[in-house]
Amino acid sequence: DQQVKQNSPSLSVQEGRISILNCDYTNSMFDYFLWYKKYPAEGPTFLISISSIKDKNEDGRFTVFLNKSAKHLSLHIVPSQPGDSAVYFCAASARYGGSQGNLIFGKGTKLSVKP
Amino acid sequence: DAMVIQNPRYQVTQFGKPVTLSCSQTLNHNVMYWYQQKSSQAPKLLFHYYDKDFNNEADTPDNFQSRRPNTSFCFLDIRSPGLGDAAMYLCATSRGQGEQPQHFGDGTRLSIL
Repeated sequence: DQQVKQNSPSLSVQEGRISILNCDYTNSMFDYFLWYKKYPAEGPTFLISISSIKDKNEDGRFTVFLNKSAKHLSLHIVPSQPGDSAVYFCAASARYGGSQGNLIFGKGTKLSVKP
Repeated sequence: DAMVIQNPRYQVTQFGKPVTLSCSQTLNHNVMYWYQQKSSQAPKLLFHYYDKDFNNEADTPDNFQSRRPNTSFCFLDIRSPGLGDAAMYLCATSRGQGEQPQHFGDGTRLSIL
């Protein structure tokens, strides 16, 4: 059973508008969350992360929000640019839960930003 | 630039013929991971090395083995590839056990004939 779910396989957004990518998780032991970005024919690259002690982390155009009670996180990109077009993976780890802090990934959401 | 390098980028092998995928890193990280990613699926952890300690995931098939001869290199061996093993194989590193983020290579796309 998937512990990390990205229920939208794809998202299309106009350049300059906000992109919101969503992620849900089921394991309450997860305490650290990451977003990775992947271009075709390249490996995933780390984008932004958030610890469970926070509810928001911001880095330039990218903001991640965490709602622990809902077991939900989201990545906001504003303004969206055509170069942001990629597959975005949500990942979670339980650093103190006995799983050695290994990452569990979602299936990804393909973002297309139209000029 | 410090990085994670996977060779080859594309590998074709025959059904049942052993194949080895290679990963090297210049980050001097202690942990190296191997993931399998099938089309439109999440990357799935196969195993990882914390220094010389090998950690196998419970559901990783016996067909998959790994070697880490030194800090910089890690190999994925598939002893008898089946059609279901066709996938992208991603290598990643992290500085310490459970430390994030992990840094990924560009992957090896494995095809089985």
